[in-house]
Amino acid sequence: EDQVTQSPEALRLQEGESSSLNCSYTVSGLRGLFWYRQDPGKGPEFLFTLYSAGEEKEKERLKATLTKKESFLHITAPKPEDSATYLCQGGSEKLVFGKGTKLTVNP
Amino acid sequence: GAVVSQHPSWVICKSGTSVKIECRSLDFQATTMFWYRQFPKQSLMLMATSNEGSKATYEQGVEKDKFLINHASLTLSTLTVTSAHPEDSSFYICSARDPSTSGRAFRNEQFFGPGTRLTVL
Repeated sequence: EDQVTQSPEALRLQEGESSSLNCSYTVSGLRGLFWYRQDPGKGPEFLFTLYSAGEEKEKERLKATLTKKESFLHITAPKPEDSATYLCQGGSEKLVFGKGTKLTVNP
Repeated sequence: GAVVSQHPSWVICKSGTSVKIECRSLDFQATTMFWYRQFPKQSLMLMATSNEGSKATYEQGVEKDKFLINHASLTLSTLTVTSAHPEDSSFYICSARDPSTSGRAFRNEQFFGPGTRLTVL
């Protein structure tokens, strides 16, 4: 059964303090790895899609990378408005979500 | 990006009543929509896959007679929670893929609606 595990569960950063979120997956034949951002009481907002190991995508302060076993979401010089829960989703036949990492960026 | 709407955004109902939630793709046609349920501080749990013009595919453990899904058009899917009980209280979110962005639909990202908060008293 495909599994997606995110770590840490929660992360507190100071504004400007760069860090990375991890998404490890156990999927035979990954067909796509997706990152989303979810604000409280709202639906997830799509961020990135990664398809193959070595692929990287960037958007403003965020960069997503993919290896054969895991994906990282790097956050460079975060701002308080980056505070949210970040979800990754992946799979082969079915897509499954990780439990998310709740990021808090303090001013 | 593609826009998905949900209505209502929140609903409070009495135990035993039925509640219908609508999910619409506003600027694209979605042959496939997904319904998720999310409990507080938990991730999204896929309930069912809704296919336009055919029966929905339910995930294991989801009662199809309890959660009725209808996908009557390429832009609208509905989820009806029948005879709702307090344990059905949750955040329900739909999503859709925009097949026009890629020739291989499975590899497309999903666009999510804003969610519907259901509270059953």
